[in-house]
Amino acid sequence: EVQMVESGGGLVQPGRSLRLSCVTSGFRFDDYAMHWVRQVPKKGLEWVSGISWNSGRVGYVDSVKGRFTISRDNAKNSLYLQMNSLRTEDMGLYYCARDSSPYYYGSGRYYDVWGQGTTVIVSS
Amino acid sequence: DIQMTQSPPSLSASVGDRITITCRAGQSINNFLNWYQQQPGKAPKLLIYSASSLQSGVPSRFSGSGSGTDFTLTISSLQPEDFATYFCQQSYTSPWTFGQGTKVEI
Repeated sequence: EVQMVESGGGLVQPGRSLRLSCVTSGFRFDDYAMHWVRQVPKKGLEWVSGISWNSGRVGYVDSVKGRFTISRDNAKNSLYLQMNSLRTEDMGLYYCARDSSPYYYGSGRYYDVWGQGTTVIVSS
Repeated sequence: DIQMTQSPPSLSASVGDRITITCRAGQSINNFLNWYQQQPGKAPKLLIYSASSLQSGVPSRFSGSGSGTDFTLTISSLQPEDFATYFCQQSYTSPWTFGQGTKVEI
């Protein structure tokens, strides 16, 4: 069974850091690009970051560039998101999502597996 | 970024009804349009990819159509488990963007 389990969310003050993790099982992790997608009430779903199968290419939404770092450890079947200098607008439910392709860029792909999400709350 | 606009934001329907949800892209995205279903408290689930291809395991009452800027998701006969929120998402160019969702209520 394909599974993806996120962790690491929580309550944090503005300006502090969090590290999200997504542990996967049931599929060959290094065959797929991976993404973080967040969901904010009344704002919907937003792609945050993506990474190709071999970490060769990464990408970020403009609002998190320079603050967030995506990484993966294929030996541990795990995806990470280091979130620094957190802002209130970073709050939300963060999902890891599997790409349909090994490459996070390029047209015509989709998220075919999602984790259950981990919640990030940024508040003083 | 490509803006995705869904309509209606919500709709009320009954079991057995046929419903259609519309998604419009701010520019042509060819057929690079995906549909997801999100049930309350759960993660999104892929229903349709590339505008009209049914994801494995998804019931055939779901169908998608369209190309360019205008797309539709149709549920031919609503079942109790179909009451959920539906999102479209373009995968034409980065950053991939989502519609705001259509909530299907009883």
